[in-house]
Amino acid sequence: DAGVTQSPTHLIKTRGQQVTLRCSPKSGHDTVSWYQQALGQGPQFIFQYYEEEERQRGNFPDRFSGHQFPNYSSELNVNALLLGDSALYLCASSLVGGGPREQFFGPGTRLTVL
Amino acid sequence: AQKVTQAQTEISVVEKEDVTLDCVYETRDTTYYLFWYKQPPSGELVFLIRRNSFDEQNEISGRYSWNFQKSTSSFNFTITASQVVDSAVYFCALTLFRNYGGSQGNLIFGKGTKLSVKP
Repeated sequence: DAGVTQSPTHLIKTRGQQVTLRCSPKSGHDTVSWYQQALGQGPQFIFQYYEEEERQRGNFPDRFSGHQFPNYSSELNVNALLLGDSALYLCASSLVGGGPREQFFGPGTRLTVL
Repeated sequence: AQKVTQAQTEISVVEKEDVTLDCVYETRDTTYYLFWYKQPPSGELVFLIRRNSFDEQNEISGRYSWNFQKSTSSFNFTITASQVVDSAVYFCALTLFRNYGGSQGNLIFGKGTKLSVKP
């Protein structure tokens, strides 16, 4: 049973560029959440997708956008990259129902903006 | 506003010592869930426990135990007889039930406690 997978593992971009990160949820999961984790900090919630719609959003600018596909996989897009966007981006999947359940996290994508 | 505080930035112990990681949370909601996650050097967050605000029973799982006290808004985590493999960053997290409207609530994380267990 495959867990949450993310691609790519590492990415280096320059300021002003755009980036797309990808996530495949754990088999059977229908909800995908994205988090940004700066070095030495806890993960911060970016947004969450369910039924191909953005259901919740954290305190991130519109430069951060996403998408969920019919197969539940998801993409995170960041436009006009800033140096401060350098971080580990984590994707988490979960299953709706029964109250907030554990979210299964992927290994993350390490984004470096130069 | 909701907040999770993990005051211990780093803890270093020698193998077989017991260690407690502190977590204090803030919320005015009465229905919420608390979590602990472990993040080894590989980076992937590993779920350890979920507890809802109506269940104050302490829980023990092998060498791990959790003490939930609503009176002090704390959800502390104790590792008994620590091992080198316990070395990791541990995060406490909070989510509110009202965020759960057909989807899972977003997790609010503390800054984490880095635990180093030396042989």
